[in-house]
Formats: sequence, structure tokens, C-alpha cells
Amino acid sequence: GENVEQHPSTLSVQEGDSAVIKCTYSDSASNYFPWYKQELGKGPQLIIDIRSNVGEKKDQRIAVTLNKTAKHFSLHITETQPEDSAVYFCAAKTGKLTFGTGTRLTIIP
Amino acid sequence: GAGVSQSPSNKVTEKGKDVELRCDPISGHTALYWYRQSLGQGLEFLIYFQGNSAPDKSGLPSDRFSAERTGGSVSTLTIQRTQQEDSAVYLCASSFGHMNTEAFFGQGTRLTVV
Repeated sequence: GENVEQHPSTLSVQEGDSAVIKCTYSDSASNYFPWYKQELGKGPQLIIDIRSNVGEKKDQRIAVTLNKTAKHFSLHITETQPEDSAVYFCAAKTGKLTFGTGTRLTIIP
Repeated sequence: GAGVSQSPSNKVTEKGKDVELRCDPISGHTALYWYRQSLGQGLEFLIYFQGNSAPDKSGLPSDRFSAERTGGSVSTLTIQRTQQEDSAVYLCASSFGHMNTEAFFGQGTRLTVV
């Protein structure tokens, strides 16, 4: 089955700097790659996604890149703000969603 | 409401008792997923329903765990003879179709086995 690896597990970034989280997947049949943000005590919230026919997608300060050949995809957050502090999960979908192990992002004011 | 609804939001049960957790997916969503999240951990896949197809039960940790989805809508996750290690947040998500479509999560049920 699909296996998704995510790095780093924790990340501290100065407010205003950029944050990058990387994921790799194993199943070449995966065709959909969402990113979720989870705040304390809440369910994961979809923040951006990318489909396999696209290499990059942007939404304001958030961008995701996908390299299907290398089977990796990354989340980029620019101009980070304190409210970006949360746990971020990547996932790959081949029918069911398989998640990475999460990255705890802390924005230092 | 328009989102995925889970009930109860919190459940405390005694070891050995059975519990039922409910998930109301977004109307019209054909795919439904259950995940388990232990404190500070990632999302552990439990089971996946897609339309009328046989569910993917490959993530259920033991035969004490079962789930059903009636009428292609509401789903119930049942844990029999609960153990302390079952304590976790149980999350449900739904999506329209099984391919490259967004999945939306509920707020979860926090289960505590004492």
C-alpha cells in the first residue's frame, strides 16, 4: 500500500520568514495530494491541494509543488505569521487517503 | 450544517464496555473515512467506505473494531470491550467520489477509556 513520509517533524521559523515541509510517497498511482492544518483540539482542515497533472499551485501565502517523477511534494508558506503555528499533515490519495506523520510548525514572534 | 458532524464530541467509558461513535458526512459525499489520532500523534487509517463497494477495513487494529455505513450516509464505528489503549480522538472525513476530490474532516470524538 501507499506510504507517505514527512519531514521535518518539528519546525521553528521566525515570523516573516518562509517555512517548507516536504513529503515523499511510494505509490505511483496516487493522483491527489492535499495538505491539512490541525490546530489544538480541532479536526484537520484542508488548506491546499494539488492534482497529479499540475506541478505547482499557489494560494496567497501558501504554495505546493509536486514532482511526480521523484514522488515528492512540498508545502511552502511565505511571510509566516503567528496564526500559522499548527501541525501540518500531507497526504496522498489512491482512493483512500494516506497521511504523513505531521510537522509541528512554530512561528516565533 | 454543511460540514461533517461527529457525535458525541467526548466520551468517557469504563474498560470493557462497548462504545459507538457516529459520523454524519456531508450530504452527497460517497466516500467516508475513519481515522484514529492518539495524543500528539499522526492520523492512523482505520476504514474507508466508497459507495456500494466493499469497505477497505485494512486499518482496523483488531476484531474489537467494526464500522458500518447505512444507506450510504451515516456511519457508526463500534469498539467492543474497550481497552485503555483505545483512548484517542476518532476522526471521520468524507469526500465526493473516491479519486482526486477533497476530503473534509469532522471535529472528532475524544474517547477516554478509564
